[in-house]
Amino acid sequence: GENVEQHPSTLSVQEGDSAVIKCTYSDSASNYFPWYKQELGKGPQLIIDIRSNVGEKKDQRIAVTLNKTAKHFSLHITETQPEDSAVYFCAAKGGAGSYQLTFGKGTKLSVIP
Amino acid sequence: NAGVTQTPKFQVLKTGQSMTLQCAQDMNHNSMYWYRQDPGMGLRLIYYSASEGTTDKGEVPNGYNVSRLNKREFSLRLESAAPSQTSVYFCASSELLRVDEQYFGPGTRLTVT
Repeated sequence: GENVEQHPSTLSVQEGDSAVIKCTYSDSASNYFPWYKQELGKGPQLIIDIRSNVGEKKDQRIAVTLNKTAKHFSLHITETQPEDSAVYFCAAKGGAGSYQLTFGKGTKLSVIP
Repeated sequence: NAGVTQTPKFQVLKTGQSMTLQCAQDMNHNSMYWYRQDPGMGLRLIYYSASEGTTDKGEVPNGYNVSRLNKREFSLRLESAAPSQTSVYFCASSELLRVDEQYFGPGTRLTVT
């Protein structure tokens, strides 16, 4: 089955700096890669996603890049703010016929004011 | 519009006790999912229900049963709780098998002593 590795497990940045979280996946048939943000005491919330026919996608301060050849994808947050502090999860969905997401283990991001 | 709701929010059980976690959604979604979240493990799928009347095993189904009571409600039952089932449980829902558009509930924190 699919295996998703996520790094780093914790990340501290100064407010205004950029943060990058990286994930690798094992199943070359995977075609959908979402990123979730989980604030303390809440459920995960989808913040951005990318499909295998796209190399990069941006939404304001958040961007995701995908390298299908290397089987890795990354989340980039620019101009970080204290409210960006949370746990971030990457995930991958297998190819046709797959209805499951495989999640990475999460990255705890702390933005220091 | 409450989205996905879960009850209870917290629960403590003794080994061998049984309980049912409740989940309801008001978005008229066909599919519903149960995940568990353990420290350092990310989210893992326990069971899912593609539509009313169907249920399927996910990655970690052992020790659990589910019931899709109607389109709105999807319950998770622990027949004989074990300490290994100490976890945070999340319910999610989506349009028919649209794992790319899942909406998560706030979670139930379960401790088995």
